[in-house]
Amino acid sequence: QQQVKQSPQSLIVQKGGISIINCAYENTAFDYFPWYQQFPGKGPALLIAIRPDVSEKKEGRFTISFNKSAKQFSLHIMDSQPGDSATYFCAGSYGQNFVFGPGTRLSVLP
Amino acid sequence: NAGVTQTPKFQVLKTGQSMTLQCAQDMNHNSMYWYRQDPGMGLRLIYYSASEGTTDKGEVPNGYNVSRLNKREFSLRLESAAPSQTSVYFCASRMDRVSNQPQHFGDGTRLSIL
Repeated sequence: QQQVKQSPQSLIVQKGGISIINCAYENTAFDYFPWYQQFPGKGPALLIAIRPDVSEKKEGRFTISFNKSAKQFSLHIMDSQPGDSATYFCAGSYGQNFVFGPGTRLSVLP
Repeated sequence: NAGVTQTPKFQVLKTGQSMTLQCAQDMNHNSMYWYRQDPGMGLRLIYYSASEGTTDKGEVPNGYNVSRLNKREFSLRLESAAPSQTSVYFCASRMDRVSNQPQHFGDGTRLSIL
């Protein structure tokens, strides 16, 4: 019940395209859903986050869509750029618990 | 503003050796965490400390010990290293244990055990 599933494992997108990463969770106690971006040799950094009482949150080219009834949420990267090439992790959290998905490796081709 | 600082960045150990990984944060955060990151498995919580003087086990605590030395510092110790502990270790901190707050990560310690 703690698991957060994430797909796809890897994603290749052309510059200017839309990147979509999907996550699904089981624990209905989660009340905070962050996305982290990680570049090689660096630690994960918060990209964008959403609470379950909101269906969508947009920050620049990054949008989270949240479907509480389906227990699913997704990250959309519009106008993807080569600089977006990184590994992306979704997570579910409540209290001290942070459960991370296994990650998606995104490559944006120039 | 350094954020979360981890030392060392790289280390190679022999099986059975001991080692302490250091972590310090300068954001006056109350909660601190140790994770390990392995390919295809995301980040798994080893131990966390909700406040100075308290520590609790996470998902994969076996083979590790921690010390919350003060509010700034949280160390992770491997008493007798095993090849299965080869991984990248990340320390993170958060203002408080209340939800809706992100964790801030260091850049990791890459540990290889031969």
